Amino acid sequence: DGGITQSPKYLFRKEGQNVTLSCEQNLNHDAMYWYRQDPGQGLRLIYYSQIVNDFQKGDIAEGYSVSREKKESFPLTVTSAQKNPTAFYLCASSIATTVNTEAFFGQGTRLTVV
Amino acid sequence: GENVEQHPSTLSVQEGDSAVIKCTYSDSASNYFPWYKQELGKRPQLIIDIRSNVGEKKDQRIAVTLNKTAKHFSLHITETQPEDSAVYFCAAPPGNANSGYALNFGKGTSLLVTP
Repeated sequence: DGGITQSPKYLFRKEGQNVTLSCEQNLNHDAMYWYRQDPGQGLRLIYYSQIVNDFQKGDIAEGYSVSREKKESFPLTVTSAQKNPTAFYLCASSIATTVNTEAFFGQGTRLTVV
Repeated sequence: GENVEQHPSTLSVQEGDSAVIKCTYSDSASNYFPWYKQELGKRPQLIIDIRSNVGEKKDQRIAVTLNKTAKHFSLHITETQPEDSAVYFCAAPPGNANSGYALNFGKGTSLLVTP
């Protein structure tokens, strides 16, 4: 189903805790992305990676960290420094040989701070 | 970087009418313009895209038009049906590949089709 899997679907975090969201793809895509979605805000880019062992900050990277040790995996850690982490998080991937490519999305993780 | 603006933020139409959503972008070098549909609680899915070497593309009831001079592109849905109700996003990548391939999204249009 789409080849890109996020887990868990729902995640609850206590204030002050770090949590890690998983994203795995079997599409053999070089590029992977993390977006945050808030009501009325569209999709805002957190981090992206065009190749293994390399990643770049997006528009709202503060309070987040990522790693890209394997082509298939791009986990996102929401740290305690993120002041308002409650949101819907979407991971995506695409072919990275050109900008003219479709991004495929995972089904998302809804994170709630309790 | 690329700035994408989308209007309107909400749109309500009667079943059978047409719906039009418009987007503008800032990077004149951008050359790929996709539209995504997101149903409630689900992932965004590509419904149509257009590349800068064409001005219009159609797929059944959906069409996209592109005006590169004015830097805007539009989604047209004809003969709307209740199942078209969803949030629609336009997007554009940066024109320079050195800035990465990450799409910049508009803020979305919530379309409601009433029977």
